[in-house]
Amino acid sequence: EIVLTQSPATLSLSPGERATLSCRASQSVGSDLAWYQLKPGQAPRLLIYGASNRATGIPARFSGSGSGTDFTLTISSLEPEDFALYYCQQRNKWPPFTFGQGTKLEI
Amino acid sequence: QVRLVESGGGVVQPGGSLTLSCEASGFTFSGHGMHWVRHAPGRGLEWVTFIRHDGSNQYYADSVKGRFTISRDNSRNTLFLQMNGLRVDDTAVYHCAKDLYWGVFDNWGQGTLVTVSS
Repeated sequence: EIVLTQSPATLSLSPGERATLSCRASQSVGSDLAWYQLKPGQAPRLLIYGASNRATGIPARFSGSGSGTDFTLTISSLEPEDFALYYCQQRNKWPPFTFGQGTKLEI
Repeated sequence: QVRLVESGGGVVQPGGSLTLSCEASGFTFSGHGMHWVRHAPGRGLEWVTFIRHDGSNQYYADSVKGRFTISRDNSRNTLFLQMNGLRVDDTAVYHCAKDLYWGVFDNWGQGTLVTVSS
């Protein structure tokens, strides 16, 4: 199974700053990588799929990049509502679909 | 808009059974595969199972294979997860998720909590 490793585990930033979250795969997943946002008590939200495609309704401050084994989620200027958990996920080799262990973005 | 509402969670003893449901609306349910994904306290997301749009194929994580069964009723726009032989480490919030294409989860429900404890 493909293992995804996210870094850092926790990222402490302030509103207005730029956030860079990383996801590394144990083997190439091509561009078959997605990013999700989780907030307590809410449904998870798809942010990015195909490594760099923003999902419907996702603000332009969210962008994804990378291919193969190294991927990045960038939030260009943090809004208060962006402080949450973020997970990467691969769909290149399945089952199983696998997720990273998550990055907590905190104020 | 797409709406997914899970139900059926609760507290069950180890070895017990539970059936979760996910009622879907706002899209053509019969045209999309569906997943169950769980989020255990203090742990990350874990994909559990996937069923194709017409129910013809099901796929499972090794951790639940042989114990859990996914099914769907396209006439009722409802997805199910039958869970048998529950273990303490099955404790989690279980989300249903709509498949955009082969493993991209583009809409999720808020989830239902399953607690396995004696």
